[in-house]
Amino acid sequence: ILNVEQSPQSLHVQEGDSTNFTCSFPSSNFYALHWYRWETAKSPEALFVMTLNGDEKKKGRISATLNTKEGYSYLYIKGSQPEDSATYLCAFREGAGNQFYFGTGTSLTVIP
Amino acid sequence: DGGITQSPKYLFRKEGQNVTLSCEQNLNHDAMYWYRQDPGQGLRLIYYSQIVNDFQKGDIAEGYSVSREKKESFPLTVTSAQKNPTAFYLCASTHTGGRVIQYFGAGTRLSVL
Repeated sequence: ILNVEQSPQSLHVQEGDSTNFTCSFPSSNFYALHWYRWETAKSPEALFVMTLNGDEKKKGRISATLNTKEGYSYLYIKGSQPEDSATYLCAFREGAGNQFYFGTGTSLTVIP
Repeated sequence: DGGITQSPKYLFRKEGQNVTLSCEQNLNHDAMYWYRQDPGQGLRLIYYSQIVNDFQKGDIAEGYSVSREKKESFPLTVTSAQKNPTAFYLCASTHTGGRVIQYFGAGTRLSVL
C-alpha cells in the first residue's frame, strides 16, 4: 500500500485569506498526481491532473505546483471564499497503472 | 447528462446478510472502481475493473465481491464475511490510459442494524 499524506488535516480561514496545503507522495515511479475538491453532499470533482516535474496549474483562484523529485504538491487558494469550503483530496498514480492512491484530505472551512 | 449513478443513497444491513450496492455510468468509460471511506481515512480501493468480465482486488477486497457483466455497470456486494461494513462507499470511472480523470458517484452510506 503506497503512502500518500496530506497536511494539514483541517484548516479554518477567514474570507479573503490565502491558504495552501500539501500532498506528499512517493518520489519513485511517478506517473501522475490528481487534485479533487469534495463538497459536502456532492461527488468529488477533479481540479487538476499533473504529470511533469515543475508543473503549475491554475483554475481561477486555485493553483497547484508539483515536485516529483522530492514527492510533494502544493495547492494554493488565493482570497478564499465561503464557497471554497470543501475537502481537498490528492491522489497519486504510479507507473502507467490505473490505480489511484488517495490521501486523507484537507478539510477547508472559510469563515465569512 | 452523463455521469455516474449510485444507489441506494442509504442502506442498512442486518447481521449475516449480503447487500448489493449499485453503480451505473453512461460516460462510456472503460475502467470502474469501488472505494471505501472511513472517518479520518482516505479513500481505500476495494476492487477495480478495466474491462468487461475482468476485475482486480484492491487493498481491502476481503468480504466484498463484484461483477462486470456490462461496461456500464459495476455492482458491489458486501458479504456477511465483511465484519465491519459500516462506511461510505464511492464508485468511480475513467477512460484507461493517458491523463485520465476519475469521475465519481454521489456515494452510498451503509450501516449495520
